[in-house]
Amino acid sequence: DADVTQTPRNRITKTGKRIMLECSQTKGHDRMYWYRQDPGLGLRLIYYSFDVKDINKGEISDGYSVSRQAQAKFSLSLESAIPNQTALYFCATSDLAGGGTEQFFGPGTRLTVL
Amino acid sequence: ELKVEQNPLFLSMQEGKNYTIYCNYSTTSDRLYWYRQDPGKSLESLFVLLSNGAVKQEGRLMASLDTKARLSTLHITAAVHDLSATYFCAVNTGTASKLTFGTGTRLQVTL
Repeated sequence: DADVTQTPRNRITKTGKRIMLECSQTKGHDRMYWYRQDPGLGLRLIYYSFDVKDINKGEISDGYSVSRQAQAKFSLSLESAIPNQTALYFCATSDLAGGGTEQFFGPGTRLTVL
Repeated sequence: ELKVEQNPLFLSMQEGKNYTIYCNYSTTSDRLYWYRQDPGKSLESLFVLLSNGAVKQEGRLMASLDTKARLSTLHITAAVHDLSATYFCAVNTGTASKLTFGTGTRLQVTL
């Protein structure tokens, strides 16, 4: 089984809809991250969390919110989706005990907002 | 603000040839990572470079880090088609374990 899983893997939604992307991990890592990937722009950090009570904005957090329900679960929400949020979204984890910076990625969620 | 630049952005090379991908970054950091991404897939960790002068090799790929020059290189030796993918470097900003990614280098190895 994969260490970092994301659901759904693909999602098509309409402008204005609320959508939640979920991430779960079995690696036992304390740190979790959400990125979006757009062609030609690499990966950009949306939010990150070092534990259940510690959530921080990344470089492009506007229009997004997150919830860390447990050490193993980190959800990303789009309260009112817009077309320019169409992208590939990745969840990642890292382990403080291992130095904290090498990140391990989930399979990604392809989101299309019409 | 940390900026990470890769070049080239696209590289088409013949099998058997050698080439180098460059990753430059704008502020001090001593941790750099290389990832591989196949089309439509996730990112796979290739190398972790943790100090100045670090060199890691795996098969036909070799990565190095020069923290004084703020430069990392990913050298490809005798390329094969299976190496076709997009390669990203990522730099630790030094605070909060955040990584800043380069825009990626799309490598296409042709027969």
